[in-house]
Amino acid sequence: NAGVMQNPRHLVRRRGQEARLRCSPMKGHSHVYWYRQLPEEGLKFMVYLQKENIIDESGMPKERFSAEFPKEGPSILRIQQVVRGDSAAYFCASSPRTGSYEQYFGPGTRLTVT
Amino acid sequence: ELKVEQNPLFLSMQEGKNYTIYCNYSTTSDRLYWYRQDPGKSLESLFVLLSNGAVKQEGRLMASLDTKARLSTLHITAAVHDLSATYFCAVDRGDSSYKLIFGSGTRLLVRP
Repeated sequence: NAGVMQNPRHLVRRRGQEARLRCSPMKGHSHVYWYRQLPEEGLKFMVYLQKENIIDESGMPKERFSAEFPKEGPSILRIQQVVRGDSAAYFCASSPRTGSYEQYFGPGTRLTVT
Repeated sequence: ELKVEQNPLFLSMQEGKNYTIYCNYSTTSDRLYWYRQDPGKSLESLFVLLSNGAVKQEGRLMASLDTKARLSTLHITAAVHDLSATYFCAVDRGDSSYKLIFGSGTRLLVRP
C-alpha cells in the first residue's frame, strides 16, 4: 500500500506566479489535511477536506489560497500570485475515516518563491 | 486559542546522557502525538497517547501523558547520535476534525 504521495517535491516560482501542490492520499483514505511549515517552525494547520467538501479552512489565508479534493484525483492546494512569504514546506496528511485520529503524512512539497 | 508549547527549543546533549522534553498544551484534548522530523524530511510518527497516565516506550524514547496537568514528556535514555532530529508534539482539539496543533519543536543534537 503506497503511502501519501505529494508532487512536486520541490517547486520554484517567481513572485506573482501560481503554485499548484498535489496530494494523493493513501488508498482508501477519504480525509485530507494540509499543513504549512515555515523555516525553523512547527507545522500549522491550513485546511481539512473530505471528498468534494471543505470541512474546515480556518487555517488558510482568505486571499490567494484555495484547496479542493475532487471526487476523482488528488487534492490540490493552489496559491495564486505567490509572494516570498509563501516560501515554506507544505505537508499533506490523510486519514482513513471519520472518527480516526490516525494521520499519515506525505513527504511534503518545498515551495521557494524567488 | 489552543496553544502547544515545547521546551527546550534546542537541546545539545552528549551521547549516553538522559534528558526530557516537555510539552504543555491548553486544550482539554486527551490525545497527544509525538513526531520526529529529520532535516528536509517528512514527519515520522513516534507515539500517540490517548488517555491520562498513558506511557509508551520505543527503544531509547519513552513518552507519557498527564491530562490533568496538560503535560506530556518525551524522555530520552542514554542518547545516541542517531536520535539527533527535531521532535514535535501535537494535540488535536478533541472534536471530530482531528486537525493537529503543533508545538514549535525541539531540535535535539546528540554529540559524540
